[in-house]
Amino acid sequence: GAVVSQHPSRVICKSGTSVKIECRSLDFQATTMFWYRQFPKQSLMLMATSNEGSKATYEQGVEKDKFLINHASLTLSTLTVTSAHPEDSSFYICSARDIRGSIAYEQYFGPGTRLTVT
Amino acid sequence: GQQVMQIPQYQHVQEGEDFTTYCNSSTTLSNIQWYKQRPGGHPVFLIQLVKSGEVKKQKRLTFQFGEAKKNSSLHITATQTTDVGTYFCAGIWEDSNYQLIWGAGTKLIIKP
Repeated sequence: GAVVSQHPSRVICKSGTSVKIECRSLDFQATTMFWYRQFPKQSLMLMATSNEGSKATYEQGVEKDKFLINHASLTLSTLTVTSAHPEDSSFYICSARDIRGSIAYEQYFGPGTRLTVT
Repeated sequence: GQQVMQIPQYQHVQEGEDFTTYCNSSTTLSNIQWYKQRPGGHPVFLIQLVKSGEVKKQKRLTFQFGEAKKNSSLHITATQTTDVGTYFCAGIWEDSNYQLIWGAGTKLIIKP
């Protein structure tokens, strides 16, 4: 149980275009999803916390107009990178928290999306 | 702000040797979690520690939470090639709204 999928796994886009990444909890409901960014050989950097039915909470330094997050249902959150630039190239990972989880605060991670902006 | 310091950044060991990574917070944590990330993969939850002085074991892995709930460690006995990856600790504070504050990770490298 507790599987999180992420789509696409890899995407290459041209500078100036927008890219949407989907994060789905497949077998549980997630009131809260998190979006992370990970640079090579570095730790995860929390970008935003997404709560179902409400606006996302962005971490300091993360542009909310550039990284649009929508959490329309208990099983789906999307991250749209708008007007992407090469510096946005990174590994984006989502995680979800099971509202019925036996371990409080445990997060389940998606497999990640490798974004390359050319 | 709240931070979790994790050391070392890398640890090279011969297969069969032990491995330890340490995490430290300047303020008292509510819980601490440990994750493993294999090369090219995503973090996978290993364990959560909640109680002061707690020690938990998973086969060759031993997890400890300090008495003051400010530090934690992961010790792997007799490493195997399957242990290769980066081990992250992630701290949670009382008012953190379920956010994890991640350590920098310790990469376990098995010497050939």
